[in-house]
Amino acid sequence: KNEVEQSPQNLTAQEGEFITINCSYSVGISALHWLQQHPGGGIVSLFMLSSGKKKHGRLIATINIQEKHSSLHITASHPRDSAVYICAVMEYGNKLVFGAGTILRVKS
Amino acid sequence: DAGVIQSPRHEVTEMGQEVTLRCKPISGHDYLFWYRQTMMRGLELLIYFNNNVPIDDSGMPEDRFSAKMPNASFSTLKIQPSEPRDSAVYFCASSDRAEAFFGQGTRLTVV
Repeated sequence: KNEVEQSPQNLTAQEGEFITINCSYSVGISALHWLQQHPGGGIVSLFMLSSGKKKHGRLIATINIQEKHSSLHITASHPRDSAVYICAVMEYGNKLVFGAGTILRVKS
Repeated sequence: DAGVIQSPRHEVTEMGQEVTLRCKPISGHDYLFWYRQTMMRGLELLIYFNNNVPIDDSGMPEDRFSAKMPNASFSTLKIQPSEPRDSAVYFCASSDRAEAFFGQGTRLTVV
C-alpha cells in the first residue's frame, strides 16, 4: 500500500464547477504539501499545511491530522486550472513522499 | 531570489556517457532534494541533503548515480555510465522547513 493515496486519479469538470481532490496518508507527518504541475512540466507549491485550513484565491486546502486526510478544493474552476495536482507529505526528517497525482481537466 | 535554478534544462546523451545535472538552491535553505519523474513511476525521491550533508540516499537507484553538495549554494547529480532507462525529468528542490520550492527540472534523454 502506498504511503500517500490520492483520489480521484483523473477528473474532468465543466468550467465553473466546484472541484475536490482528496489525499490520505498512513505515516506520521510534520506537514503536507499540495503541488501543481502544468503540462509544461514545472512544479509549483500551492500550499503547505500542518493543521486546519488555508485559502489562496479560488484554492482552499484543508487537513485533518487525526484522520490523516487532506483535501484540495477549487471553486469556480477554469480551464487554466487544468494540471496535475500532487499531494506530498513531509515525514519527520523532511523527507517528501508523493502521491501519484490527480489529472484535472476543466472544459470550457 | 531567482528560485531554484537547474541546468541544463534539456540533455540528450548517448548510452555510456557521463551526465552531470546541476542545482543552485534558494539562498538560506538548508535542505536540498533530488527527485526523478517518469511516466511509469511518477515522482521519486533520490537523495536529500541537510546543511550539505547527505541524509538519505536510499532512493538512488544504483551505484551509477552519485550526488554531491560541496557547498550551500550548489549540488550535482551525476550518472556514470548513463543508460536509456535513466531517461526522465530530474527535479531539484530546496526547503527551509517551512516550504519546498522546485526547480524547473532537467529533461534527460539517453539514446
